Amino acid sequence: GAVVSQHPSRVICKSGTSVKIECRSLDFQATTMFWYRQFPKQSLMLMATSNEGSKATYEQGVEKDKFLINHASLTLSTLTVTSAHPEDSSFYICSASEAGFTDTQYFGPGTRLTVL
Amino acid sequence: AQSVTQPDIHITVSEGASLELRCNYSYGATPYLFWYVQSPGQGLQLLLKYFSGDTLVQGIKGFEAEFKRSQSSFNLRKPSVHWSDAAEYFCAVGARDMRFGAGTRLTVKP
Repeated sequence: GAVVSQHPSRVICKSGTSVKIECRSLDFQATTMFWYRQFPKQSLMLMATSNEGSKATYEQGVEKDKFLINHASLTLSTLTVTSAHPEDSSFYICSASEAGFTDTQYFGPGTRLTVL
Repeated sequence: AQSVTQPDIHITVSEGASLELRCNYSYGATPYLFWYVQSPGQGLQLLLKYFSGDTLVQGIKGFEAEFKRSQSSFNLRKPSVHWSDAAEYFCAVGARDMRFGAGTRLTVKP
């Protein structure tokens, strides 16, 4: 149980385009989903926390207009990187907490974004 | 503010040897503590977690961790390492506001 998927696993895009990454909880309802960014050989940095049906809460230093997060249902959250630039290239990982069990996060497999 | 320190960036052990990965935390209240493992290019898999109760926690894949409040530590141990354990290991503190350590890369020698 507690499986989280991400799509796509890898994406390459041109500078200036937008990219959408999906995060789904497959076998549980996720009231809260989290988006992290991981640079090579570094730890995970929390970008934002989203609750189903409400606006995401962004960490300090994360541009909310650049990284649009939508959590429209209890099983789906999306991260859209708008007007992507090469410096946005990174590994993006989502996680989800089960409704009523908010103490543990289950992580997706990650999405490798490369912006040319 | 909560934080996590993993003092060892890289550890190499021989297959079959015992393993201990260190984790120290800073947290204002009773911490929620986690150990995750990440294989290259993959997401994170939860190994074990501690919320309260017995301070020795058993996890998957033969791992265990001990919570020591007096030392603010939550070290991960395994009595006999397998080659498949080679990966990056992250200690984390918190729940909704989880903070990760920098990670320890484990290399297993044949």
